[in-house]
Amino acid sequence: DQQVKQNSPSLSVQEGRISILNCDYTNSMFDYFLWYKKYPAEGPTFLISISSIKDKNEDGRFTVFLNKSAKHLSLHIVPSQPGDSAVYFCAASGRGTSYGKLTFGQGTILTVHP
Amino acid sequence: DVKVTQSSRYLVKRTGEKVFLECVQDMDHENMFWYRQDPGLGLRLIYFSYDVKMKEKGDIPEGYSVSREKKERFSLILESASTNQTSMYLCASSLREVYTEAFFGQGTRLTVV
Repeated sequence: DQQVKQNSPSLSVQEGRISILNCDYTNSMFDYFLWYKKYPAEGPTFLISISSIKDKNEDGRFTVFLNKSAKHLSLHIVPSQPGDSAVYFCAASGRGTSYGKLTFGQGTILTVHP
Repeated sequence: DVKVTQSSRYLVKRTGEKVFLECVQDMDHENMFWYRQDPGLGLRLIYFSYDVKMKEKGDIPEGYSVSREKKERFSLILESASTNQTSMYLCASSLREVYTEAFFGQGTRLTVV
């Protein structure tokens, strides 16, 4: 039972344009959501997070949007740069889970073309 | 800087061998995790520990065990390695809080032949 789903395995975007990565979840106990970025042969690194009391969080070029009623979140990268090419994972946790335990999606491979 | 260090970047083991993957963190985190990453399947939790000698099974614990004798160290053990355990293994640590991120090691690429 996949509680966090990223339905797009890959996304290709031109440099300077917007990248939008999507994530859906099914567990209504999740109330904290994170995005991680992973380069090949490296561990994932934390990018940005959002708690369920908000519907938007911005950090520079990265913005995460949360739609609780749809159980959907998205990561917007504007403008996209070739160095953003990586695998992006969304993750979720909440009070109904063991504190600090994250459930991850399958990942989306983002390729930004110069 | 938070540092999570995995003992090996690459390992090649034979089928049936007992394999130990070691992980050390330096931030006094209560939680430690072992995930495996496979294409199309994302990061799947194998085992989780929230304190010394305490552990919880994750989503795919079969064929694995863990040991946490000290707070900073979390070991993953493959009792009898099989080819379907060929994967990228990732260790992570975090505070024992709901609203916190996990910090990952660099990963160990294990190949079982």
